[in-house]
Amino acid sequence: AQSVAQPEDQVNVAEGNPLTVKCTYSVSGNPYLFWYVQYPNRGLQFLLKYITGDNLVKGSYGFEAEFNKSQTSFHLKKPSALVSDSALYFCAVSRPNSGYSTLTFGKGTMLLVSP
Amino acid sequence: DAGITQSPRHKVTETGTPVTLRCHQTENHRYMYWYRQDPGHGLRLIHYSYGVKDTDKGEVSDGYSVSRSKTEDFLLTLESATSSQTSVYFCAISESRQAEGYTFGSGTRLTVV
Repeated sequence: AQSVAQPEDQVNVAEGNPLTVKCTYSVSGNPYLFWYVQYPNRGLQFLLKYITGDNLVKGSYGFEAEFNKSQTSFHLKKPSALVSDSALYFCAVSRPNSGYSTLTFGKGTMLLVSP
Repeated sequence: DAGITQSPRHKVTETGTPVTLRCHQTENHRYMYWYRQDPGHGLRLIHYSYGVKDTDKGEVSDGYSVSRSKTEDFLLTLESATSSQTSVYFCAISESRQAEGYTFGSGTRLTVV
């Protein structure tokens, strides 16, 4: 079975400060890892993914995430937060296999960026 | 969201009635998924499809059925709606069987009263 933990229900940060949204995962074998963002009354939008290769992944809107295999983590980061970054963020994991794999999502972390 | 539409966007229904939600895609992707989103639970997989007439259950499939008679359409049916099925339902599509990333629809907000 695969699972994702997002330990913080909410993260508060001031505009211009760096932000981190935490994610840890559990999966057998090598994972595929994803971050999605959801704005109010919208579907989920893809931010970035780790499939293989460089542990530091850069994505949309200046976000990046670092895959850490020893800590089974995939934290989302941004050097300087914007008020417009305020949204609900989901981490997700899948496990490639010989059959059909599906995405398992965390419970989500609400990011609030104050002016 | 481009290439994938869900209908209806909002629905209120009574307990015990059947309800069908529709997901339509124009991307010709083979893989389609239904998730429900609830506070404190994130997104949970209900059913998915890996081709026309090929479907499988997810982690919260009880009370739901699906059908896929055409590549572009994936229907989710609540056979007899219950209040616990009040939720926001999202459809997603993918090109790859290895779940390398999904494209989501805008969701259907279902209220069962």
